[in-house]
This record gives sequence, C-alpha cells and structure tokens, in this order.
Amino acid sequence: DAGITQSPRYKITETGRQVTLMCHQTWSHSYMFWYRQDLGHGLRLIYYSAAADITDKGEVPDGYVVSRSKTENFPLTLESATRSQTSVYFCASSESRTWGGYTFGSGTRLTVV
Amino acid sequence: QKEVEQDPGPLSVPEGAIVSLNCTYSNSAFQYFMWYRQYSRKGPELLMYTYSSGNKEDGRFTAQVDKSSKYISLFIRDSQPSDSATYLCAMRQEYGNKLVFGAGTILRVKS
Repeated sequence: DAGITQSPRYKITETGRQVTLMCHQTWSHSYMFWYRQDLGHGLRLIYYSAAADITDKGEVPDGYVVSRSKTENFPLTLESATRSQTSVYFCASSESRTWGGYTFGSGTRLTVV
Repeated sequence: QKEVEQDPGPLSVPEGAIVSLNCTYSNSAFQYFMWYRQYSRKGPELLMYTYSSGNKEDGRFTAQVDKSSKYISLFIRDSQPSDSATYLCAMRQEYGNKLVFGAGTILRVKS
C-alpha cells in the first residue's frame, strides 16, 4: 500500500531499554522527519533527514539516534529509554521539488515504565 | 517566546456555527502557511496551504494570512460534529523544508 507507515502502533518498555520505532514511506520522498507530540508542547522536531545518509538534529534530539541507509526507511532509536520519553511519536515525509506540506504517519504511542 | 503561538482551547461551539482559529508568529521570514487537522489517535493531515499573504477558500474552509500583523486564521463555516479535532497551524520560510508548528487548538462541535 502506498503511504507512510509506522510500527509498532503501541509500545510499552522499561526504563533503560533500547527501543526502535520504524518508519517506512513508499513515495521516495527525499525528506523525512521525526516529531514527538506532548500535551502543552505540540509537535517538536527530534531529527530530520534530507536524503539517504544525511540527517540533522531538530529541537529535542537528546537521547535519540536516527539512521537513513535507504530513502524509504527512517528508524528512530531511543538508546536508553527514560520516562520523559513517554510520548506519541510521528514520522512525516515530504518532497522538496513539489513541496506540498508534510504527510504524517499514524503515530507510535510509547510508554516508558 | 515560541516562534508560533496558538491558543490550545478547547473551543466548544454548536453545530452550524462559524469557527475562527488563529495563530500568531514572530518570524517575518515565514512565507508558507498551513493548517493541519488531527483527529484523536491519528496523525495530522494537511487541510489548507497558502503562500505569502491573502485568502484561500476550499469548501467550508477559508484560510487568511496577514503578514503585516504576523497573524493567520482558519475559518470554518457551518461547522459539523465531524469537524471536532485538533487544528494545528504550521509555517516555514521560503527556502528549506522545516515546518514550525503551533501547539494546536482543540475544537469540539456539539450536535
């Protein structure tokens, strides 16, 4: 199916564990983004990528790692999960040449206990 | 101070009302202005998209941009219960691809 998919939809993990959130898009969009959404803060950019093997920090990158070896995938890893990382995580993509905004995935609801 | 300010609401209106949602911003370099709608437990979806100043209409929705006042608005006419959602404004500069989002306004349309 065409689109942008995130997995898992829900995840509960323990403090200190490593967890990876997956994002896959089928349009070959050059740009991909990771946001977290928390009450009172709205959407905050964690990391973004302009192309395969090109990534850069956003507003709140601490505690997160990204990679982009293929254009279609942009996984987000929490190296050692903390309770403050409990949030809803959204992946988004966009095309730079015919820019029409971002397309978002359905989100991953992560709870760190 | 945040670059983009948006009243979080919630805003509660009766069905059929005209709804006005607003954002203010501080960065005069912003040129692209968007409104996203987000239903509960879903990702945001693009609703309206305007470049620079002016109005844009799409069915019951009208987006307005006033760059001199650094103020954007989204009007919803004949509001429906299905319009109940969180509305996020977003904007970006002429070059580059990064959007800056407002915190979102929760809208509830009562039938």
